[in-house]
Amino acid sequence: EAQVTQNPRYLITVTGKKLTVTCSQNMNHEYMSWYRQDPGLGLRQIYYSMNVEVTDKGDVPEGYKVSRKEKRNFPLILESPSPNQTSLYFCASTYLRTNEQFFGPGTRLTVL
Amino acid sequence: KQEVTQIPAALSVPEGENLVLNCSFTDSAIYNLQWFRQDPGKGLTSLLLIQSSQREQTSGRLNASLDKSSGRSTLYIAASQPGDSATYLCAALSNFGNEKLTFGTGTRLTIIP
Repeated sequence: EAQVTQNPRYLITVTGKKLTVTCSQNMNHEYMSWYRQDPGLGLRQIYYSMNVEVTDKGDVPEGYKVSRKEKRNFPLILESPSPNQTSLYFCASTYLRTNEQFFGPGTRLTVL
Repeated sequence: KQEVTQIPAALSVPEGENLVLNCSFTDSAIYNLQWFRQDPGKGLTSLLLIQSSQREQTSGRLNASLDKSSGRSTLYIAASQPGDSATYLCAALSNFGNEKLTFGTGTRLTIIP
Protein backbone atom coordinates (compact mmCIF):
# COMPACT_ATOMS: atom_id res chain seq x y z
CA GLU A 1 0.00 0.00 0.00
CA ALA A 2 1.31 3.43 -0.99
CA GLN A 3 1.71 5.47 2.14
CA VAL A 4 3.60 7.94 4.28
CA THR A 5 4.42 6.68 7.76
CA GLN A 6 5.52 8.61 10.82
CA ASN A 7 6.87 7.50 14.17
CA PRO A 8 6.13 7.97 16.92
CA ARG A 9 2.47 8.90 16.66
CA TYR A 10 2.42 10.40 20.15
CA LEU A 11 5.29 11.77 22.19
CA ILE A 12 5.52 13.57 25.50
CA THR A 13 8.94 14.92 26.39
CA VAL A 14 10.63 17.58 28.48
CA THR A 15 12.32 20.81 27.50
CA GLY A 16 15.79 20.34 26.08
CA LYS A 17 15.70 16.61 25.47
CA LYS A 18 16.65 15.96 21.85
CA LEU A 19 14.17 13.99 19.80
CA THR A 20 13.66 12.74 16.26
CA VAL A 21 10.41 12.12 14.45
CA THR A 22 10.85 9.74 11.56
CA CYS A 23 9.04 9.92 8.23
CA SER A 24 9.14 7.37 5.45
CA GLN A 25 7.35 7.06 2.10
CA ASN A 26 7.21 4.10 -0.25
CA MET A 27 6.07 5.94 -3.38
CA ASN A 28 9.54 6.94 -4.66
CA HIS A 29 8.62 10.64 -4.42
CA GLU A 30 11.41 13.16 -4.75
CA TYR A 31 9.72 15.95 -2.77
CA MET A 32 9.00 15.70 0.93
CA SER A 33 7.89 18.28 3.48
CA TRP A 34 7.21 18.77 7.16
CA TYR A 35 4.29 20.82 8.47
CA ARG A 36 3.03 21.70 11.91
CA GLN A 37 -0.63 22.27 12.71
CA ASP A 38 -1.72 24.64 15.46
CA PRO A 39 -5.23 25.80 16.41
CA GLY A 40 -6.19 28.97 14.58
CA LEU A 41 -3.00 28.94 12.51
CA GLY A 42 -3.63 26.00 10.23
CA LEU A 43 -0.77 24.00 8.78
CA ARG A 44 2.55 25.71 8.18
CA GLN A 45 5.56 24.34 6.38
CA ILE A 46 8.68 23.79 8.48
CA TYR A 47 11.18 22.33 6.00
CA TYR A 48 11.09 20.73 2.61
CA SER A 49 13.37 18.57 0.51
CA MET A 50 13.49 18.45 -3.26
CA ASN A 51 15.67 15.35 -3.36
CA VAL A 52 18.40 13.46 -1.55
CA GLU A 53 20.80 15.86 0.21
CA VAL A 54 18.71 18.87 -0.87
CA THR A 55 16.75 20.57 1.91
CA ASP A 56 15.53 24.08 2.55
CA LYS A 57 13.60 26.13 5.07
CA GLY A 58 9.88 26.64 4.99
CA ASP A 59 7.92 29.28 6.86
CA VAL A 60 8.67 28.22 10.44
CA PRO A 61 12.08 26.46 10.54
CA GLU A 62 13.39 27.85 13.83
CA GLY A 63 14.23 25.11 16.33
CA TYR A 64 14.11 22.30 13.78
CA LYS A 65 16.57 20.38 11.65
CA VAL A 66 16.05 17.84 8.91
CA SER A 67 18.14 15.48 6.85
CA ARG A 68 17.58 13.59 3.61
CA LYS A 69 20.19 10.88 3.22
CA GLU A 70 17.85 8.50 1.46
CA LYS A 71 14.98 9.20 -0.88
CA ARG A 72 12.37 7.46 1.24
CA ASN A 73 13.25 8.99 4.63
CA PHE A 74 12.97 12.55 5.90
CA PRO A 75 13.41 12.76 9.68
CA LEU A 76 12.57 15.88 11.69
CA ILE A 77 15.00 16.66 14.49
CA LEU A 78 14.37 18.87 17.50
CA GLU A 79 17.76 19.44 19.10
CA SER A 80 16.43 21.24 22.17
CA PRO A 81 12.63 21.12 22.25
CA SER A 82 10.71 23.92 23.91
CA PRO A 83 7.05 24.13 24.97
CA ASN A 84 6.18 26.31 21.95
CA GLN A 85 6.98 23.32 19.77
CA THR A 86 4.04 21.45 21.23
CA SER A 87 2.00 20.76 18.12
CA LEU A 88 0.68 18.22 15.65
CA TYR A 89 3.30 17.42 13.03
CA PHE A 90 2.70 16.08 9.54
CA CYS A 91 5.10 14.72 6.99
CA ALA A 92 4.12 14.84 3.33
CA SER A 93 5.46 13.61 0.03
CA THR A 94 4.62 14.93 -3.42
CA TYR A 95 3.78 13.05 -6.58
CA LEU A 96 5.73 15.22 -8.97
CA ARG A 97 3.62 14.55 -12.03
CA THR A 98 0.52 16.20 -10.55
CA ASN A 99 2.01 17.96 -7.51
CA GLU A 100 -0.49 16.18 -5.33
CA GLN A 101 0.67 15.89 -1.73
CA PHE A 102 0.15 12.84 0.45
CA PHE A 103 0.27 13.17 4.19
CA GLY A 104 1.31 10.90 7.00
CA PRO A 105 -0.95 10.18 9.99
CA GLY A 106 0.60 12.88 12.16
CA THR A 107 2.71 12.99 15.31
CA ARG A 108 1.27 14.71 18.35
CA LEU A 109 4.16 16.18 20.33
CA THR A 110 3.90 17.65 23.81
CA VAL A 111 6.91 19.40 25.31
CA LEU A 112 6.65 20.02 29.05
CA LYS B 1 1.97 36.25 0.14
CA GLN B 2 -0.80 33.73 -0.42
CA GLU B 3 -3.62 33.67 2.11
CA VAL B 4 -6.35 31.06 2.12
CA THR B 5 -9.65 31.57 3.93
CA GLN B 6 -12.44 29.15 4.68
CA ILE B 7 -15.80 30.42 5.87
CA PRO B 8 -17.68 29.34 7.89
CA ALA B 9 -15.42 27.76 10.48
CA ALA B 10 -18.17 25.33 11.42
CA LEU B 11 -21.31 24.07 9.72
CA SER B 12 -24.09 21.71 10.79
CA VAL B 13 -26.60 20.28 8.35
CA PRO B 14 -29.21 17.51 8.48
CA GLU B 15 -28.40 14.20 6.87
CA GLY B 16 -29.34 13.95 3.22
CA GLU B 17 -28.86 17.59 2.35
CA ASN B 18 -26.53 18.85 -0.31
CA LEU B 19 -23.96 21.38 0.89
CA VAL B 20 -21.20 23.64 -0.31
CA LEU B 21 -17.96 24.48 1.45
CA ASN B 22 -16.12 27.62 0.43
CA CYS B 23 -12.46 28.42 0.01
CA SER B 24 -10.95 31.71 -1.14
CA PHE B 25 -7.35 32.62 -1.91
CA THR B 26 -5.66 35.96 -2.47
CA ASP B 27 -3.06 35.11 -5.12
CA SER B 28 -4.62 33.74 -8.29
CA ALA B 29 -1.27 32.49 -9.58
CA ILE B 30 -1.78 29.05 -8.15
CA TYR B 31 -0.40 25.82 -9.51
CA ASN B 32 -3.19 23.69 -8.10
CA LEU B 33 -5.71 23.54 -5.29
CA GLN B 34 -6.24 20.50 -3.10
CA TRP B 35 -9.12 19.59 -0.77
CA PHE B 36 -8.46 17.42 2.26
CA ARG B 37 -10.50 15.78 4.95
CA GLN B 38 -9.24 15.54 8.53
CA ASP B 39 -10.92 13.41 11.17
CA PRO B 40 -10.32 14.24 14.85
CA GLY B 41 -6.83 13.19 15.89
CA LYS B 42 -6.10 11.80 12.45
CA GLY B 43 -4.09 12.71 9.42
CA LEU B 44 -5.12 14.42 6.21
CA THR B 45 -6.84 12.49 3.48
CA SER B 46 -6.64 13.95 0.01
CA LEU B 47 -10.11 14.26 -1.53
CA LEU B 48 -9.69 16.15 -4.77
CA LEU B 49 -6.94 17.96 -6.62
CA ILE B 50 -7.73 20.61 -9.22
CA GLN B 51 -4.95 21.77 -11.50
CA SER B 52 -4.89 25.47 -12.40
CA SER B 53 -5.98 24.64 -15.95
CA GLN B 54 -9.07 22.77 -14.75
CA ARG B 55 -12.47 24.07 -13.68
CA GLU B 56 -13.68 21.14 -11.62
CA GLN B 57 -13.03 17.62 -10.42
CA THR B 58 -15.47 14.96 -9.26
CA SER B 59 -15.14 11.92 -7.06
CA GLY B 60 -18.29 10.09 -6.08
CA ARG B 61 -20.55 12.47 -4.15
CA LEU B 62 -17.88 15.16 -4.10
CA ASN B 63 -17.37 17.88 -6.67
CA ALA B 64 -14.77 20.61 -6.40
CA SER B 65 -14.69 23.68 -8.59
CA LEU B 66 -12.02 26.28 -9.18
CA ASP B 67 -12.35 29.88 -10.35
CA LYS B 68 -8.89 31.38 -10.43
CA SER B 69 -10.00 34.80 -11.60
CA SER B 70 -12.18 35.30 -8.56
CA GLY B 71 -9.86 33.43 -6.19
CA ARG B 72 -12.45 30.87 -5.17
CA SER B 73 -12.93 27.16 -4.89
CA THR B 74 -15.96 25.25 -3.66
CA LEU B 75 -16.44 21.70 -2.47
CA TYR B 76 -19.92 20.36 -3.12
CA ILE B 77 -21.08 17.34 -1.13
CA ALA B 78 -24.23 15.65 -2.37
CA ALA B 79 -26.64 13.69 -0.19
CA SER B 80 -24.62 14.21 2.99
CA GLN B 81 -24.15 11.33 5.43
CA PRO B 82 -23.10 11.23 9.10
CA GLY B 83 -19.81 9.71 7.97
CA ASP B 84 -19.05 12.97 6.16
CA SER B 85 -18.62 14.70 9.52
CA ALA B 86 -15.03 15.93 9.65
CA THR B 87 -12.94 19.04 9.13
CA TYR B 88 -12.41 19.97 5.50
CA LEU B 89 -9.28 21.84 4.51
CA CYS B 90 -8.40 23.49 1.24
CA ALA B 91 -4.82 24.25 0.28
CA ALA B 92 -3.27 26.16 -2.59
CA LEU B 93 0.07 25.39 -4.19
CA SER B 94 1.27 28.71 -5.46
CA ASN B 95 5.05 28.44 -5.61
CA PHE B 96 6.26 25.43 -7.48
CA GLY B 97 9.69 24.49 -6.23
CA ASN B 98 9.24 24.48 -2.49
CA GLU B 99 6.08 22.39 -2.64
CA LYS B 100 4.55 24.54 0.04
CA LEU B 101 0.82 24.27 0.37
CA THR B 102 -0.89 27.28 1.94
CA PHE B 103 -3.77 25.94 4.00
CA GLY B 104 -7.00 27.46 5.14
CA THR B 105 -7.96 26.85 8.76
CA GLY B 106 -10.77 24.54 7.73
CA THR B 107 -14.51 24.11 8.02
CA ARG B 108 -15.69 21.70 10.69
CA LEU B 109 -18.69 19.90 9.22
CA THR B 110 -21.26 18.05 11.32
CA ILE B 111 -23.98 15.99 9.65
CA ILE B 112 -26.96 15.56 11.94
CA PRO B 113 -28.64 12.13 11.66
